[in-house]
Amino acid sequence: DAGITQSPRYKITETGRQVTLMCHQTWSHSYMFWYRQDLGHGLRLIYYSAAADITDKGEVPDGYVVSRSKTENFPLTLESATRSQTSVYFCASGAYNEQFFGPGTRLTVL
Amino acid sequence: SQQGEEDPQALSIQEGENATMNCSYKTSINNLQWYRQNSGRGLVHLILIRSNEREKHSGRLRVTLDTSKKSSSLLITASRAADTASYFCATDWSNAGNNRKLIWGLGTSLAVNP
Repeated sequence: DAGITQSPRYKITETGRQVTLMCHQTWSHSYMFWYRQDLGHGLRLIYYSAAADITDKGEVPDGYVVSRSKTENFPLTLESATRSQTSVYFCASGAYNEQFFGPGTRLTVL
Repeated sequence: SQQGEEDPQALSIQEGENATMNCSYKTSINNLQWYRQNSGRGLVHLILIRSNEREKHSGRLRVTLDTSKKSSSLLITASRAADTASYFCATDWSNAGNNRKLIWGLGTSLAVNP
């Protein structure tokens, strides 16, 4: 199916563990984005990618790592999860004039 | 820091009424976009208005942009229960150094009561 998918949809982990959130899009969009959404903060950009093998930091990149070896995939890794990283994570693809969002991953760090 | 600020934060209306929400921003923009987010879902792009446009329509949506006041409004006419969602504005900003980003507001939560 065409679109943008995220997995897992829900994840509970413990402090200090590594977690990878997956994002896959079928449109061949050059740009992909990772956001976190928290009450009171709205959407905040973590990392973005302009093309395969090109990534750059957003507003809140600390504690996160991304890679983009293929155009269609943009995984986000929390190297050592902390409670402050409990959030809903959204992946998006598209461009600055229109972004298409995945359904989100709700991550809880205990 | 967030550039877009929506108001009101929350709005509750009856079906059939019009809903108006506003967005203010701080610096020059390329365009302004409105997105909708249904509970537990990702955001969906609704409409884009360029910085040289003053008004745009799409179905029951009407967006205005006043660059002198750095503000935009989204009007949903004849609202339906299915319009219940959060609405976000996002401003497309860039500078001479080719830095570019979307800056998101905190959203307006709209409840349309049947």
